[in-house]
Amino acid sequence: AQSVTQLGSHVSVSEGALVLLRCNYSSSVPPYLFWYVQYPNQGLQLLLKYTSAATLVKGINGFEAEFKKSETSFHLTKPSAHMSDAAEYFCAVSAPSGNTPLVFGKGTRLSVIA
Amino acid sequence: GAGVSQTPSNKVTEKGKYVELRCDPISGHTALYWYRQSLGQGPEFLIYFQGTGAADDSGLPNDRFFAVRPEGSVSTLKIQRTERGDSAVYLCASSPGGQDYGYTFGSGTRLTVV
Repeated sequence: AQSVTQLGSHVSVSEGALVLLRCNYSSSVPPYLFWYVQYPNQGLQLLLKYTSAATLVKGINGFEAEFKKSETSFHLTKPSAHMSDAAEYFCAVSAPSGNTPLVFGKGTRLSVIA
Repeated sequence: GAGVSQTPSNKVTEKGKYVELRCDPISGHTALYWYRQSLGQGPEFLIYFQGTGAADDSGLPNDRFFAVRPEGSVSTLKIQRTERGDSAVYLCASSPGGQDYGYTFGSGTRLTVV
């Protein structure tokens, strides 16, 4: 079974500052990992994914994440926050085979202060 | 269509009534997923279709919940004898199939049971 834990339900950063959203996973097999973003009253949009190729994954809107097996982590980063990054971010995990559905974390709300 | 379409976007119903929520996936996507998102929580898996058949319905909370996908495209989530605890946003997602694609989500149906 797979699960993810997102540390911090709410993160606040200043515009232009580093964004770091934390995600740790638990999986009995090498996982696939995903980050999604949700803007108010909208569905979830895929930011990036790790599917066992390069461990540093680049996504949309300047975000990237690094898969660290030794730390069972997949933290999301962006060098410089923009006001438009304010949203809810979800980390998700799945097994690489067997068509098991994505399991989501509880989310982290990112606020960006001008 | 270009994206995943869910109708209605909002539904208010009285306790005890029956509701149907519709999902129209991206054309050609064989996999379709239903999730439920309560306030302040991540999406919670309900059911997954591969083609016309329910491949995994382990997330349905009880027998009041049922979903169909008779022709392998549009899906309907059906809730009988609605309860106030069923109030949530119901999200639908589709995927070409395979674990490495990630999902494309619709904007969801906000169900309120009064």
